[in-house]
Parts: sequence; structure tokens; C-alpha cells
Amino acid sequence: GAVVSQHPSRVICKSGTSVKIECRSLDFQATTMFWYRQFPKQSLMLMATSNEGSKATYEQGVEKDKFLINHASLTLSTLTVTSAHPEDSSFYICSAKRTGTGFPGELFFGEGSRLTVL
Amino acid sequence: SQQGEEDPQALSIQEGENATMNCSYKTSINNLQWYRQNSGRGLVHLILIRSNEREKHSGRLRVTLDTSKKSSSLLITASRAADTASYFCATDRGFKTIFGAGTRLFVKA
Repeated sequence: GAVVSQHPSRVICKSGTSVKIECRSLDFQATTMFWYRQFPKQSLMLMATSNEGSKATYEQGVEKDKFLINHASLTLSTLTVTSAHPEDSSFYICSAKRTGTGFPGELFFGEGSRLTVL
Repeated sequence: SQQGEEDPQALSIQEGENATMNCSYKTSINNLQWYRQNSGRGLVHLILIRSNEREKHSGRLRVTLDTSKKSSSLLITASRAADTASYFCATDRGFKTIFGAGTRLFVKA
């Protein structure tokens, strides 16, 4: 299967600071990546679709100025949580969909990043 | 918003027993996928069933799909303690993948 790497796996920051999370597709090119947020014992909530070379598409209710997404290359998307507050503490997971022959459309996920804002 | 609902929300069984999880969805689909998530980790794709398929097998996994009822089930046979995880169904809405609420499975050794 394809490999998606996410970094850092854990980050603790002070309220008011910004945190950047990276998501890399290691063995395939991903024109589109997806960022999800997950609260404890809950499902994944899609935050935004990251498009290489263009603006991200945010889901309703997700603040684009709070959660900055940049997809500068075919293998890297970044999520920056700006001016983080304790309520931003969560588990953030990125994924990429590998298309083409032999890949019917399943998502490949990073290992997730647990953000704790003090 | 979530596409589907899953039941049960939580399931606790003994090792060796079978585990059945159900998923319902609301809109028409091209395919339905099941994923597994170990605690604090990313998701791993288990199996994909297309809308024109009714049943699919992969090892100890059996997935069924009933498009008339907009529902799917995941059966894990001869469960093991290592199967303890959360299981999610997912469907595509356009290019986006939307996840159900998930079932937390606990397999007791």
C-alpha cells in the first residue's frame, strides 16, 4: 500500500502560538490531500480538501484563517493552526487518495498528530 | 457532517467469537469502504465493496452491501485480541470521503 507520513505525532504548545503539521505522500504523488479532525471516541470530521497549487476547500464551519492549509508540491501538504487555543486541542489526521489502475479510491492515512494547547 | 451511522457504538466479545458491525448511509454511492483505527493512530483501509457487489471477503473479513436498504455490514470471524480497535465505514461524496460514527470493538483474551 501507499505510505503517508505525518509529522509531528505529538505537539504541545502555549495558547496564542501557531503550530504546523506536515503531511507527506512518500511513494506517490497526491494532487489532493484531506485534513480531518477527531475528538476522543468520535469519528473523523473532514476539515478541508487540500489541492496542489491552489486554495484549499474548507468544510462548512471550519475557519480558514484559523486553519491554514498549503499544498505547495505533489507530495506535501501542511496544516497550520494559528493562534492556537485550548479548544483547538485535538487529533488531526491527514490522508491522500491514490488514483489510477489498481487503486479504486481508498484513502491512505498519516499516523495523526495530537495537538495539546496549554 | 457524517454520512453514515454505525451500530453498535461499542462491542465487547471474547476471543474466538465473531464480531458484526453495521453501517447505514443516506445517499447513493459508488462504493463503500471499511477502515480500522487503533487507539491514537491513523486509519488503515480494510476493504472496499463496489455498489454492484453484494458480498466481499478478505481473510477473516466479510463485508456485505445492500444498496436497497443503504446498509453494509462488516463481519470479523474468529476474533483475536489484536482485532481490538475502532472500525469505520466510509462513503464518497464527490471526491470527499465521509466517515460513519464508528464501532469500538474490544476483544477479550
